[in-house]
Amino acid sequence: QVQLQESGPGLVKPSETLSLICSVSGYSITSGNYYWSWIRQHPGKGLEWIGYMYPSGNAHYNPSLRSRVTISGDTSKNQLSLKLSSVTAADTAVYFCGRVLLYYSETNGYSIWVDPWGQGTLVTVSS
Amino acid sequence: QSVLTQPPSASGTPGQRVTISCSGSSSNIGGHTVTWYQQLPKTAPKLLIYTNNQRPSGVPGRFSGSKSGTSASLAISGLQSEDEADYYCATWDDSLPGPVFGGGTKLTVL
Repeated sequence: QVQLQESGPGLVKPSETLSLICSVSGYSITSGNYYWSWIRQHPGKGLEWIGYMYPSGNAHYNPSLRSRVTISGDTSKNQLSLKLSSVTAADTAVYFCGRVLLYYSETNGYSIWVDPWGQGTLVTVSS
Repeated sequence: QSVLTQPPSASGTPGQRVTISCSGSSSNIGGHTVTWYQQLPKTAPKLLIYTNNQRPSGVPGRFSGSKSGTSASLAISGLQSEDEADYYCATWDDSLPGPVFGGGTKLTVL
């Protein structure tokens, strides 16, 4: 059974870098069949993709966050990491990690879904 | 403002059938498959429907998805109190390019 668990500071100061870890158990992030993602949810709001990475190290980011985001993997620890620089109060959110299946077919275009999700961790940006 | 439009709220009584819509365009729903997630209060989202109409194991048959053109729908039949949650549609968008979520629909069971 695949499980994901986010961890990291719950409070980050404005202009600093938010750093989170997602520990994966029950499945190797290097297995190659899946991408690994970060998604966030502002308080009382909807879901927002941050980005996702393939075990090879290639990463895809939300254009609105691309200049500030880095998603990477530590294969020795089977962990995924998120770094978001120059944070402001607008980055206050619950951050989720998740395993992503993404594939393309000529008939149906892209199919993408997240399963499972981590439980999420609240990060507040405040001085 | 999401490129996928969902009604902010929906409601129904126990046993009723309710549908939640997700409207997009040719660059997203029109060209790609749709996923639905259920987010119970204070929990992480859970995969409900993938590839327009497929249910993961463990998801009751009361939940069904469909897609037509640039819109998709989630139907819940035999509504139960435990179905009270937020529901999100998602797909790929060629304009980004990348994945996108709808704004979410809060379902209330009266």
